Amino acid sequence: EAGVTQSPTHLIKTRGQQATLRCSPISGHTSVYWYQQALGLGLQFLLWYDEGEERNRGNFPPRFSGRQFPNYSSELNVNALELEDSALYLCASSLAGPDTQYFGPGTRLTVL
Amino acid sequence: SQKIEQNSEALNIQEGKTATLTCNYTNYSPAYLQWYRQDPGRGPVFLLLIRENEKEKRKERLKVTFDTTLKQSLFHITASQPADSATYLCALPRGSGGSQGNLIFGKGTKLSVKP
Repeated sequence: EAGVTQSPTHLIKTRGQQATLRCSPISGHTSVYWYQQALGLGLQFLLWYDEGEERNRGNFPPRFSGRQFPNYSSELNVNALELEDSALYLCASSLAGPDTQYFGPGTRLTVL
Repeated sequence: SQKIEQNSEALNIQEGKTATLTCNYTNYSPAYLQWYRQDPGRGPVFLLLIRENEKEKRKERLKVTFDTTLKQSLFHITASQPADSATYLCALPRGSGGSQGNLIFGKGTKLSVKP
């Protein structure tokens, strides 16, 4: 069984640009979660999608947004990038709701 | 507001000893608690889930306890090995009881096992 996949592995952008990160959940999983992990900090919850709907979002500004597609894959968009957005962005999936989460390898976003 | 605390940022122990990590929470009545392992630059990996009606759970060299009165979980690794060196995270569902929200993660404890 394939695990959660994320692309790209690394992404380098400059301030003010937009970044798009992608996630494919484990087959059969309907929930997708996005987390931000800045260097030396814990996992900060960003967004939770289930069955195509946004179920919850963390304490992040509106320039962090996303969506979930009919095949349950998901996209995270970060607009107007700031230096402090540099972090490891992790995607996780679960069967339904906040059950055991299976994480992808992450996308390392660097904002210059 | 709901809060999770892992007692120490780092824990150094000798190979063969038992590592004990602590997770405390406040303003919660979680239906379960989870523990994950994270290696540098990688996504966390699920280890164990313990439910509110379970006092203890084991998996190979791992043991987790859950005290809902103390609002605390202890995570033990017996006969520790250098390969156990990693950051260990506890996680709780945001909602209480049967109403579940997303998971909230503690900041983690970095375990180093010296040979």
